[in-house]
Amino acid sequence: AQKVTQAQTEISVVEKEDVTLDCVYETRDTTYYLFWYKQPPSGELVFLIRRNSFDEQNEISGRYSWNFQKSTSSFNFTITASQVVDSAVYFCALSEEGGAQKLVFGQGTRLTINP
Amino acid sequence: ETGVTQTPRHLVMGMTNKKSLKCEQHLGHNAMYWYKQSAKKPLELMFVYSLEERVENNSVPSRFSPECPNSSHLFLHLHTLQPEDSALYLCASSQGGAGGEQFFGPGTRLTVL
Repeated sequence: AQKVTQAQTEISVVEKEDVTLDCVYETRDTTYYLFWYKQPPSGELVFLIRRNSFDEQNEISGRYSWNFQKSTSSFNFTITASQVVDSAVYFCALSEEGGAQKLVFGQGTRLTINP
Repeated sequence: ETGVTQTPRHLVMGMTNKKSLKCEQHLGHNAMYWYKQSAKKPLELMFVYSLEERVENNSVPSRFSPECPNSSHLFLHLHTLQPEDSALYLCASSQGGAGGEQFFGPGTRLTVL
């Protein structure tokens, strides 16, 4: 069965600090997809990134970077030089190959960036 | 309108009322989803429609009734709800098939009195 665990319920840092959000997943499939979404106070989930299970290359997009390690079933998300606008709830999600896509979400990590 | 829209944004209803939530996607996608997000649980998938056919019903009580008249519109009909059904209801769409990201609407904040 699929499962996503975000062990950090809440994180609070001061602006300009780097922060890493952890995500650990479980799946029996060899083909699967991992996602990160951001949910600001407005409520709408915003798609950040998708990785497939065959692509373990790390990715960097501006201040955001993602570290995918199949050996530890982890897909961690790092924000460098955090800003107040990064404050949100961040969700990691997993979907498996086949059929209509079902996203299984982690519990979410509430990130607060203090000025 | 662009992306995924949901109406109403806020809804307060009594337990005996009947109401409907509406979702519309302007992305040309062929799959649509309803999720429930409450304070006590993470995002829970409720229903999945692919090519207007329901392909997933995640053990949702019958007081929630989805309808997908075409690939752009999705409804969630509500009747005789309970206070514990109060939550944020999110709609999403995607291009069906493995690996496609889902695009979410802003949600409907539902309060059941």
